[in-house]
Amino acid sequence: DIVMTQSPDSLAVSLGERATINCKSSQSVLYSSNNKNFLGWYQQKPGQPPKLLIYWASTRESGVPDRFSGSGSGTDFTLTISSLQAEDVAVYYCQQYYSTPYSFGQGTKLEIK
Amino acid sequence: EVQLVESGGGLVQPGGSLRLSCAASGFTFSSYWMHWVRQAPGKGLVWVSRISSDGSSTSYADSVKGRFTISRDNAKNTLYLQMTSLRAEDTAVYYCARVAGAYVNNYFDYWGQGTLVTVSS
Repeated sequence: DIVMTQSPDSLAVSLGERATINCKSSQSVLYSSNNKNFLGWYQQKPGQPPKLLIYWASTRESGVPDRFSGSGSGTDFTLTISSLQAEDVAVYYCQQYYSTPYSFGQGTKLEIK
Repeated sequence: EVQLVESGGGLVQPGGSLRLSCAASGFTFSSYWMHWVRQAPGKGLVWVSRISSDGSSTSYADSVKGRFTISRDNAKNTLYLQMTSLRAEDTAVYYCARVAGAYVNNYFDYWGQGTLVTVSS
C-alpha cells in the first residue's frame, strides 16, 4: 500500500504571503506509460466535503484561483498558495490515485497568522 | 449540475447493520466509477471502497473487507454501501465521490455532502 505523508501538520501564514504544503508518497505515483503523476490535492473547509483543487499533480481544476499551484513528480509533491486569502483557511489533503487502496495524506491545517 | 446526495446514516449499535445510499443526478451515472470515502470526527479522509461503472468490479480497504459491500443500481442512479458487523471505529461521515472521466484510476471530481454514521451502544 502507498503511504502519503504531508508536512507540516499545521501552518500559519500571514494574509498575502505564500503558503507551501508538502506531500511525500512511499512509492512513485508516476505512471511511465503516460508520464502522469497520479496525485491530487483537495481543500476541505469545516462542515463541507472535500473540493478538488489540483489533479495530475499540477493541473488546476476549473474555477480554482490561479494562486493555487501544484508541482513535483515521482514521490515528492508541493501545493503552493502564492498569496494567502482569508477564504483559503482550510485543511488540505493530497491523495494518490495510482493504485488501490487510494490513500490520503493526514491533512495540513492552514490558518491565518 | 452534478449532484451526489447521501442518505441512510444514523445511530446503530455495535454489531449492527446499515445501508447507505448515494443518489446521483446531473450526469450519466452508468458511465462513471464511484467511491466511498469516510472521515471520523476530527480526523482525516480514509478511502473505503470503489465500484466500476457497470458494477462488475469492486475493491475494499482492508479495514472493511468482508463487512462492507459496495453496489450500484444504474437504473436508479444510486450507489450503495451495505455495512454489517459495525464497530465503534466505523463511526464517521461517509462521502460518495465520483471518479473524473470514464477511467479506472483517476481523481475525484465531485463529492456528496456526506452522511454521519455513529456506532455506539
